[in-house]
Amino acid sequence: KAGVTQTPRYLIKTRGQQVTLSCSPISGHRSVSWYQQTPGQGLQFLFEYFSETQRNKGNFPGRFSGRQFSNSRSEMNVSTLELGDSALYLCASRPGTGGETQYFGPGTRLLVL
Amino acid sequence: GESVGLHLPTLSVQEGDNSIINCAYSNSASDYFIWYKQESGKGPQFIIDIRSNMDKRQGQRVTVLLNKTVKHLSLQIAATQPGDSAVYFCAESQAGTALIFGKGTTLSVSS
Repeated sequence: KAGVTQTPRYLIKTRGQQVTLSCSPISGHRSVSWYQQTPGQGLQFLFEYFSETQRNKGNFPGRFSGRQFSNSRSEMNVSTLELGDSALYLCASRPGTGGETQYFGPGTRLLVL
Repeated sequence: GESVGLHLPTLSVQEGDNSIINCAYSNSASDYFIWYKQESGKGPQFIIDIRSNMDKRQGQRVTVLLNKTVKHLSLQIAATQPGDSAVYFCAESQAGTALIFGKGTTLSVSS
């Protein structure tokens, strides 16, 4: 089975721009979670989607948003980028929401200049 | 908020030694714990998990121990190899909610 895939792998943006990242979960997985990883804050939960509905949300400003499509693929969007948004954005999938193992993709490295 | 932490940011071992990576958690209601390995430039890779109704679980060369009395989690790696060099994260969750990660321990294996 193919793993979690994320596109693009690398992005360079400037302050004020917006960005959309994409995640394709493992086949059959219906839950997709997004995490931000930075050297200072570590891995922090952004949000989780299941069956096209946001199930949980972390403590991030409203500039961070996401959605999930009927095929379980998910996108996250960051508007009005700030320098502090530079990070590795990780997507993880699992079959449902019952505490199963989450499997991570390789991440999208975002650099905001 | 509550978070999971690791005792040591770095651990250096010799090839063939056994490694023990420790983690303390603070949410006594957490019912699921997991260890990930992250190599440079890659996403976290699942190693092993354990539920709160267990105190030990073994995998291939790895063992996870859970001590709910002192809220402590550990990962033991037997016969550590250079390929085990990576950053190791523990994480917890409660009732299937989001994973809360610790800061990570960098394991360096020298041959």
